[in-house]
Amino acid sequence: AQRVTQPEKLLSVFKGAPVELKCNYSYSGSPELFWYVQYSRQRLQLLLRHISRESIKGFTADLNKGETSFHLKKPFAQEEDSAMYYCALRSPQGGSEKLVFGKGTKLTVNP
Amino acid sequence: DVKVTQSSRYLVKRTGEKVFLECVQDMDHENMFWYRQDPGLGLRLIYFSYDVKMKEKGDIPEGYSVSREKKERFSLILESASTNQTSMYLCASSFPAGDLGTGELFFGEGSRLTVL
Repeated sequence: AQRVTQPEKLLSVFKGAPVELKCNYSYSGSPELFWYVQYSRQRLQLLLRHISRESIKGFTADLNKGETSFHLKKPFAQEEDSAMYYCALRSPQGGSEKLVFGKGTKLTVNP
Repeated sequence: DVKVTQSSRYLVKRTGEKVFLECVQDMDHENMFWYRQDPGLGLRLIYFSYDVKMKEKGDIPEGYSVSREKKERFSLILESASTNQTSMYLCASSFPAGDLGTGELFFGEGSRLTVL
């Protein structure tokens, strides 16, 4: 069964500090992984996907198949990064369009 | 700009009432989804649809049904609302993954339902 685990419900850092939001997944094949973000009073939106291997708003995430992880990292956190972050997985092999989400991590960046 | 519109931002209903949540998207997406979002539980998929009149159960379909009569519209129905269905409901849409896009989900603003 597909499962996404975000071990931290809450994460608090100071502005300028590095931040890492953890995501581990359970899936036997080669998944597609995503990070979605929801800023206060805004709709949920895609932040980045592992296929693109891109950096968005200074965030990067590397898929580590050995550790089944897809942690989200930023070297210097900004106050505007405060938001709810969700890791999500899709199983392309099954032809499924379904996206399975983790429970989310609320990031607070303090001034 | 992709737009997913949920008709009701806030609803208050009584136990046993029938509730309709409407969602419309304007990007000709094949896929549409209904999730509920609860603190500490994240997003859980209720139902999704990959074509008109097609639907598949998600992880928590009990107590819900859906309708997709037109490509742009996906309705979530609570036949007899209960207090444990008090939640934020999110609608999303996407192109099929690997087809016209990567399957990125575009979300609506959400409908907060309170069942008394």
